[in-house]
Parts: sequence; C-alpha cells; structure tokens
Amino acid sequence: QVQLQESGPGLVKPSETLSLTCTVFGGSISPYYWSWYRQPPGKGLEWIGFVHYSGSTNYNPSLESRVTISVDTSKNQLSLRLNSVTAADTAFYYCARRDSNGYYGYWGQGTLVTVSS
Amino acid sequence: DIHLTQSPSFLSASVGDRVTITCRASQGISSYLAWYQQKPGKAPRLLIYAASTLQSGVPSRFSGSGSGTEFTLTISSLQPEDFATYSCQHLSSYPFTFGGGTKVEIK
Repeated sequence: QVQLQESGPGLVKPSETLSLTCTVFGGSISPYYWSWYRQPPGKGLEWIGFVHYSGSTNYNPSLESRVTISVDTSKNQLSLRLNSVTAADTAFYYCARRDSNGYYGYWGQGTLVTVSS
Repeated sequence: DIHLTQSPSFLSASVGDRVTITCRASQGISSYLAWYQQKPGKAPRLLIYAASTLQSGVPSRFSGSGSGTEFTLTISSLQPEDFATYSCQHLSSYPFTFGGGTKVEIK
C-alpha cells in the first residue's frame, strides 16, 4: 500500500524559506505526477503545483514566483521550497499522487507549517 | 482561473437523510471534476472522480453526476461516519482549483 509522508520544520520565520519533503513508501515515484497542496487552518484547499518523475513542473501562477518543486527518484522523494514566506503561508501542507486515472487518490497525512517570528 | 462555487456551504442533516451538494464551475470543465471528503485533522479522501466514477473502496451510497458547469454529489442515506466537509476540485486546466467546501453536520 502506497503511503506518503511529509516532513520538515513546523515553524518558519517571515521572509525565510519553507522547505518540505514528501517520502513515498510502498511504491515508486515513477511514472507518476506528484502535487503539493496546502490548506490554511479552517479554510479551503489550494493546489501549489506538480512535478513529474521526469522532473518537469507546473506551478500555480499565484505562487509561481516563490515556489520550486523537485523530485529525487533515488530517494523516492519530492520536495517543496517556498521562499519569502509571510503569515499568509501558514497552512497544512500535503503531498499527493496523481494516479493513472488522472486524479489524486493518495495523499500524505499533512504537516502544519506556521510562519511566525 | 476556473472558479468553483459550492452550495450550500453548511448543511445540517440526520442519519438516513438523502443529501445533495452542488458544485458550479465558472466555465465548462467537461467531466474533469473530483469530490473529496475531509475530516478534521485529516487529509482529503477522494470519493468521486471524472464527475461520476466511484473511487475504489468508497461506499456505494456516494454518487456523483453532471458535466460542463454543474455537478452534484449525493449521499443516498447519510451515515454517522459521513459527517465531514466535502469539496469539489476541477482538473480541466491549470491551475487546479477547489470549491469552498460544504460542511455536513448532525442535526
């Protein structure tokens, strides 16, 4: 059974860079697309962007200037970097796999990142 | 960006009730729509994809319909474990976006 696990600092200072890793267990990074999502506490979900196992990416234009998503197939991991964070970036961050049907059936449990000094 | 509007945003219902949630897209998205269930502190769970296909392992009381700009999620007989927030997502074009969510609470 495929499992995804997000990890990284739970607290980031304003103007610094948020860095998260998603490790895939029980399955391979290839040949899938993988996305990062986020959800501010008590609010709706937002798609951040995706990375293909080949390394190609696509980002939400609302975040494109600040975000980088990458993949490391040797470690079965994908990563998220979001720079110049503000309090508005405080959210639960999730990684998810886009299945062969084109939809996101596997999600990590999520990790809360708080932006605060 | 394609905007998804869900209604209602809040719904109070009893066990056994039939529940319908609507998701309207600001432009046509064919059938590129998913429905998720989310409980507090948990990740979204995919219920329906391609507007009407039941995800493996999801109870048959859940069903989806629609295409173009109007979609519905129906729970035929609400069970205690169904009290949660439901959200729609389109995957028609980038960026993918979500509806604002519908919270289903116990009456």
